[in-house]
Amino acid sequence: EIVLTQSPATLSLSPGERATLSCRASQSVRGLLAWYQQKPGQGPRLVIYDASNRATGIPARFSGSGSDTDFTLTISSLEPEDFAVYFCQQRTNWPLTFGGGTKVEI
Amino acid sequence: QVQLVESGGGVVQPGKSLRLSCAASGFTFKNHGMSWVRQVPGKGLEWVAVIWYDGGNKYYADSVKGRFLISRDDSVNTLYLQMDSLRDEDTGVYYCARDRGTTLMTLDIDNWGQGTLVTVSS
Repeated sequence: EIVLTQSPATLSLSPGERATLSCRASQSVRGLLAWYQQKPGQGPRLVIYDASNRATGIPARFSGSGSDTDFTLTISSLEPEDFAVYFCQQRTNWPLTFGGGTKVEI
Repeated sequence: QVQLVESGGGVVQPGKSLRLSCAASGFTFKNHGMSWVRQVPGKGLEWVAVIWYDGGNKYYADSVKGRFLISRDDSVNTLYLQMDSLRDEDTGVYYCARDRGTTLMTLDIDNWGQGTLVTVSS
């Protein structure tokens, strides 16, 4: 099983600041990595797929990068609606696995 | 717009069964793979099961293999999860989820339901 480790667990920032979230895989996932945003009481929302592709309707302030085992989600300038929990997920091998999440809080 | 509405959750005793349903609308259901993903409240996500858009393949997490069965009925645009021999550790919110691909599988999820809570407790 591929283990995804996200860091930091919590990121405390203010609106307008830049957020940098990390996801590290226990073995290569060949760029087949997605990022999801989840707000309280809601199902997750796809933000980035295949490491760097923005999903439909996702603003340009969100960007993804990385390959192999190290990936980054960057939010260039935080808007109030961006404060949420973010999960990464790999689709290289079954079982499909998620990271433990990073909470972006004010 | 895409809608996924789960139902069937509730409180059940260990060893009992429950069937979850997910009513899909706003898209061509038969063209998309579908999954169930669960989450212990306040915790992380676990992929439970996935079914291909044509029903040709199904995969399960080891933790539920042999106890859960994923199925779909394209005539009524509905996804199911039959859960037998339930355990305390099966407690969580169960999300119905749509694969991003159309007549192909990507194993990314581009739409999620609101979830239904399953509580396994004596």
